[in-house]
Amino acid sequence: NAGVMQNPRHLVRRRGQEARLRCSPMKGHSHVYWYRQLPEEGLKFMVYLQKENIIDESGMPKERFSAEFPKEGPSILRIQQVVRGDSAAYFCASSPDLDNEQFFGPGTRLTVL
Amino acid sequence: GESVGLHLPTLSVQEGDNSIINCAYSNSASDYFIWYKQESGKGPQFIIDIRSNMDKRQGQRVTVLLNKTVKHLSLQIAATQPGDSAVYFCAVRPNFGNEKLTFGTGTRLTIIP
Repeated sequence: NAGVMQNPRHLVRRRGQEARLRCSPMKGHSHVYWYRQLPEEGLKFMVYLQKENIIDESGMPKERFSAEFPKEGPSILRIQQVVRGDSAAYFCASSPDLDNEQFFGPGTRLTVL
Repeated sequence: GESVGLHLPTLSVQEGDNSIINCAYSNSASDYFIWYKQESGKGPQFIIDIRSNMDKRQGQRVTVLLNKTVKHLSLQIAATQPGDSAVYFCAVRPNFGNEKLTFGTGTRLTIIP
C-alpha cells in the first residue's frame, strides 16, 4: 500500500507566478489535510478536506490560496501570485476517517525567487 | 486557541542512553496527542499516540506520558540508536471532530555515538 504521495517534491517559482501542489492520499483515505512548515519551525495547519468538500480552512490565508479535493484525482493546493514569504515546505496528510492517525507525505518544498 | 511548546530546542544523548523529550499544551479540552519524528528532508513519521483517557502508553522502545493536570506530555526513547537522531514534534488535537493538529516547534535530538 503506497503511502501519501506528493508532487512535485521541489518547486521553484518567480514572484507573481502560480504554484500548484498535488497530493494523492493513501488508498482508502478520504480525508486530506494540508500543513505548511517554515524552516526550524513546526507544521502549521492550513486546510482539511474530504472528497469534494472543504471542512475547515481556518488556517488558509484569505487571499491567493485555495484547495480542492475532487471526486477523482489528487488534492490540489493552489497558490496564486506567489511571494517570497510563501517559500516553505508544504505537507499533505491523509486519514481514513475521523479520529484517526494522520499519515504524512514527503512534502513539496516551494522556493519563490 | 491551542498553543504547544517544547521545553528544549535541542537535546544530545549518548548512544544507548535513554532520552526524554517534553511538551506543554494549553487547551485542557485537547483529547488526542501524537508524537512525530521528522528526519531531514522528509515528512513527519508517526511514532506513538495517546488519548486523554490514558496517562501512559508504550510502544517499541518508546513511551508517552500524559499529565492532564499540568497539561504536559513527554516522549521517552529507551536505548537510543543513531537512527533516532531527528526532530521530534508533539501534536495536539483540540477535541474530537476538530481534526486539525497543532504542532510544537520541535526538539532536535542528536545521538552521540
